Amino acid sequence: GQNIDQPTEMTATEGAIVQINCTYQTSGFNGLFWYQQHAGEAPTFLSYNVLDGLEEKGRFSSFLSRSKGYSYLLLKELQMKDSASYLCAVRAEVSGGYNKLIFGAGTRLAVHP
Amino acid sequence: DSGVTQTPKHLITATGQRVTLRCSPRSGDLSVYWYQQSLDQGLQFLIHYYNGEERAKGNILERFSAQQFPDLHSELNLSSLELGDSALYFCASSQDRNTGELFFGEGSRLTVL
Repeated sequence: GQNIDQPTEMTATEGAIVQINCTYQTSGFNGLFWYQQHAGEAPTFLSYNVLDGLEEKGRFSSFLSRSKGYSYLLLKELQMKDSASYLCAVRAEVSGGYNKLIFGAGTRLAVHP
Repeated sequence: DSGVTQTPKHLITATGQRVTLRCSPRSGDLSVYWYQQSLDQGLQFLIHYYNGEERAKGNILERFSAQQFPDLHSELNLSSLELGDSALYFCASSQDRNTGELFFGEGSRLTVL
């Protein structure tokens, strides 16, 4: 089966750096995604890791350690608009070479002035 | 705008009823995914279709069914509705079968009274 854990809520200050952790246990691991979801809106893709290491994309970076079943999303120079839920999602292979994307419950980040 | 269209945006119905949610994927995308998001809950994977065929199934109830038509649009049918079925139902699409970056529609908010 699959199990994905991430903190429920975090708060941070505008301009600061915040790290959102995600641990997972899954069979057939085939990649890890981070999505951002503003309240009442659709999730939008932020990053993708399949190999160990850090992927940087502007103010956002994502890290993966497959051996530890661990990932984090790093947000720098926080802005008020970064207040949202951040969803960790694990891609797992199912039969026939197909995959499914399993989401964690999300971390609700509140950025304060 | 992700390019994924979902209708209706809002739906209010009574227990025991049946509803159909519709999704049109992005132009060229062959994969359609359905997710359920209850209040303050994570995205629960329901089902994945690729080019008209079911490819992966999550925790989809027997009262729920889905299909993808030759024009690649998809419908999610929910029957014998219960109060607990009230949720946001998201459709997402991607170009291939390997569940890469998903593009989400705005969701259909179902309220069962």
